[in-house]
Amino acid sequence: KQEVTQIPAALSVPEGENLVLNCSFTDSAIYNLQWFRQDPGKGLTSLLLIQSSQREQTSGRLNASLDKSSGRSTLYIAASQPGDSATYLCAVTIIQGAQKLVFGQGTRLTINP
Amino acid sequence: NAGVTQTPKFRVLKTGQSMTLLCAQDMNHEYMYWYRQDPGMGLRLIHYSVGEGTTAKGEVPDGYNVSRLKKQNFLLGLESAAPSQTSVYFCASSYWTINTGELFFGEGSRLTVL
Repeated sequence: KQEVTQIPAALSVPEGENLVLNCSFTDSAIYNLQWFRQDPGKGLTSLLLIQSSQREQTSGRLNASLDKSSGRSTLYIAASQPGDSATYLCAVTIIQGAQKLVFGQGTRLTINP
Repeated sequence: NAGVTQTPKFRVLKTGQSMTLLCAQDMNHEYMYWYRQDPGMGLRLIHYSVGEGTTAKGEVPDGYNVSRLKKQNFLLGLESAAPSQTSVYFCASSYWTINTGELFFGEGSRLTVL
């Protein structure tokens, strides 16, 4: 059974710092990996999607990497801002009859001004 | 462009009552999903649909039913609500191909069962 783990569960850093969020998964048979952002009381917003054949994706100050063989992904946030404060979730897409996503429990990020 | 819209956003039920959550998407997506999000449990897939007229069970389907009579709508029903179904429910949709599959989420429906 695929399991997705995100460590740490919470992270607090000063504004302006570069930071890395971690995601690990137990089964390398994935189709893609997505990083989402969730603000309190809101739904999830897709940030980056990495196909299984790719190593990384970039969007603005965000860079996500994927190492399928080791079952790891990282989300790098450059020059963090208070507006980056949110919960970040990763999810892998697997095939079990149909395409399904398996989510980690998220990292709650706080950027302190 | 509304994206994925869920109604209602909040609801309080008594044990044994029934209700339906409605999800509507205007992106012509084939795939639609219902998840529940609980503290310490993450998001878990309840049911999903790969196209109009089709539905399938996810990870935690017991106590829920779904219907996809129209491509743009995906309904989640609780026939006899239980306190264990207190949760935040999220609908999502995607225009799936193997090499894409970005998921779009609604803003959630918070359900409390007393």
